[in-house]
Amino acid sequence: AQSVTQLDSQVPVFEEAPVELRCNYSSSVSVYLFWYVQYPNQGLQLLLKYLSGSTLVESINGFEAEFNKSQTSFHLRKPSVHISDTAEYFCAVTGTGGGNKLTFGTGTQLKVEL
Amino acid sequence: DAGITQSPRHKVTETGTPVTLRCHQTENHRYMYWYRQDPGHGLRLIHYSYGVKDTDKGEVSDGYSVSRSKTEDFLLTLESATSSQTSVYFCAISEPRGRSPEAFFGQGTRLTVV
Repeated sequence: AQSVTQLDSQVPVFEEAPVELRCNYSSSVSVYLFWYVQYPNQGLQLLLKYLSGSTLVESINGFEAEFNKSQTSFHLRKPSVHISDTAEYFCAVTGTGGGNKLTFGTGTQLKVEL
Repeated sequence: DAGITQSPRHKVTETGTPVTLRCHQTENHRYMYWYRQDPGHGLRLIHYSYGVKDTDKGEVSDGYSVSRSKTEDFLLTLESATSSQTSVYFCAISEPRGRSPEAFFGQGTRLTVV
């Protein structure tokens, strides 16, 4: 079984400032890791994923996350946020053994202010 | 967007009545899932399916049943709705291990039990 902890329920930040959303996980098996983004009244969209290989993964809109196995973390970062990044962000984990059942964190609401 | 359609998108029902939510996919993905989203809990897995007539319970399955008679359809039934089942319900699809394991989500169904 896996668990995911997102300690920050809300993160306010000014536009063009950097941001980090924290995610820690617990698992007894190897994992795949994901960040999903949810805009108001919409479903979840995949932002980025770590499956294997390079521990630094990037999205097309400037977000990046780094898999740190020793610290069991997968923090999400963006060097300069935009108003349109305002959304809720969910970290999720699944074991590599198949089934792809996701365990989610409780989410972090990112609010970008002018 | 992945071809996932949830219906209805919104529903208000009375305590004690049965309710069925439908998820229809056009991606021919083998795996399908039902999650519920509640504030402070993130998304939690209700039931999942690895193929036609192959379903199993997730973390919060009490009071719910599912059926999958065709690859493209996954039905979630609340046998006797309770106020604690007021939530937003998401259907998701994915492919088996060896392919890209990420899940794709529908737009959600907002269910209110009064």
